Amino acid sequence: GNSVTQMEGPVTLSEEAFLTINCTYTATGYPSLFWYVQYPGEGLQLLLKATKADDKGSNKGFEATYRKETTSFHLEKGSVQVSDSAVYFCALSSYGNNRLAFGKGNQVVVIP
Amino acid sequence: KAGVTQTPRYLIKTRGQQVTLSCSPISGHRSVSWYQQTPGQGLQFLFEYFSETQRNKGNFPGRFSGRQFSNSRSEMNVSTLELGDSALYLCASSLGGDSISYEQYFGPGTRLTVT
Repeated sequence: GNSVTQMEGPVTLSEEAFLTINCTYTATGYPSLFWYVQYPGEGLQLLLKATKADDKGSNKGFEATYRKETTSFHLEKGSVQVSDSAVYFCALSSYGNNRLAFGKGNQVVVIP
Repeated sequence: KAGVTQTPRYLIKTRGQQVTLSCSPISGHRSVSWYQQTPGQGLQFLFEYFSETQRNKGNFPGRFSGRQFSNSRSEMNVSTLELGDSALYLCASSLGGDSISYEQYFGPGTRLTVT
């Protein structure tokens, strides 16, 4: 079945640092890939998506490229702000299917 | 456009009781999915409803059930509550149908505590 693996542990970094969160997946066919963000006490917000190989999703300075050869969808941001502190989830869904499979999530803490 | 709304936001129940949670999707969205979020298991898919029919189901016991009404609003019910059912229950809506992108928009969740 479908599964998503995110790097272990929280990520702590200083303001204006470069952020990378690794995400790899296992899926049959050609899944759609997503990054969601969750702020304390809130639901999930869609951050960006990619629906086919080599697509780059981008939003609010965050980017991720759908790499089919490495089955990866790593999230990057060039210069983080304190307001980016949140939990980030990588997710996928198969074509024609709304069922999302999520990674475990990564807590990102940005220190001023 | 109003977002996904869930009621109630917080709920405290006792073991053995049952509970009903409600979700109103974004206007025009016909698909509603439910997810359970716990610190140990993370985010797990419960079920999806589209046009009043259950279209997809996760690996949860039969105590977890749901339904969807003609206006796309959805409810989920958990009977005979167990301590392990304490979780944040998230509802997500999407256009559904043949849309290839399947962007799902989440509500704020209902925090259920079972004592």
